[in-house]
Amino acid sequence: DSGVTQTPKHLITATGQRVTLRCSPRSGDLSVYWYQQSLDQGLQFLIQYYNGEERAKGNILERFSAQQFPDLHSELNLSSLELGDSALYFCASSLGASGQHTQYFGPGTRLTVL
Amino acid sequence: EDQVTQSPEALRLQEGESSSLNCSYTVSGLRGLFWYRQDPGKGPEFLFTLYSAGEEKEKERLKATLTKKESFLHITAPKPEDSATYLCAVNTPLVFGKGTRLSVIA
Repeated sequence: DSGVTQTPKHLITATGQRVTLRCSPRSGDLSVYWYQQSLDQGLQFLIQYYNGEERAKGNILERFSAQQFPDLHSELNLSSLELGDSALYFCASSLGASGQHTQYFGPGTRLTVL
Repeated sequence: EDQVTQSPEALRLQEGESSSLNCSYTVSGLRGLFWYRQDPGKGPEFLFTLYSAGEEKEKERLKATLTKKESFLHITAPKPEDSATYLCAVNTPLVFGKGTRLSVIA
């Protein structure tokens, strides 16, 4: 158990809908990252927050947004969902924001868009 | 742009047959190289962090090494429970390779 929690575990929804994925980092970690894993693309970085502020952005679509709250939990919002958004979404956390800090991953949310 | 290439894509070993997985990387500056293990449908599980060439780390049957251009994950006398996908990644945000799918047959 990494100490990172994600809810829900599974999400099934229809095209055009909007969903929210939730992540609680390990105790003491200030940085939260979101990654998407699909069969053909592997693990892709979406966005990073550090202590409530956006720190880095990857290949995140404009339909996707995220935020980190004062209690350090984070939410990833996915809107106008398309079939291609079906994937595993992982949250990770680390103590700091630099490349030297190990990231610990949560169990993921499996999103299926029908 | 950081890049990571892992080989082979898939590896099938007999129980007890030692081997190595390769991770080649191209970065403007290495701040950290990370190895993870991932079981199907699960989140990546942290194994090792390496920071500089020449560094080595060990855990049970696994040993990770680092040079200026690549890292190796050596698996000694593997068991069926070592079957998983092994992922290599660099820096932060993490840039991942596509992984090596390891199957260990009893």
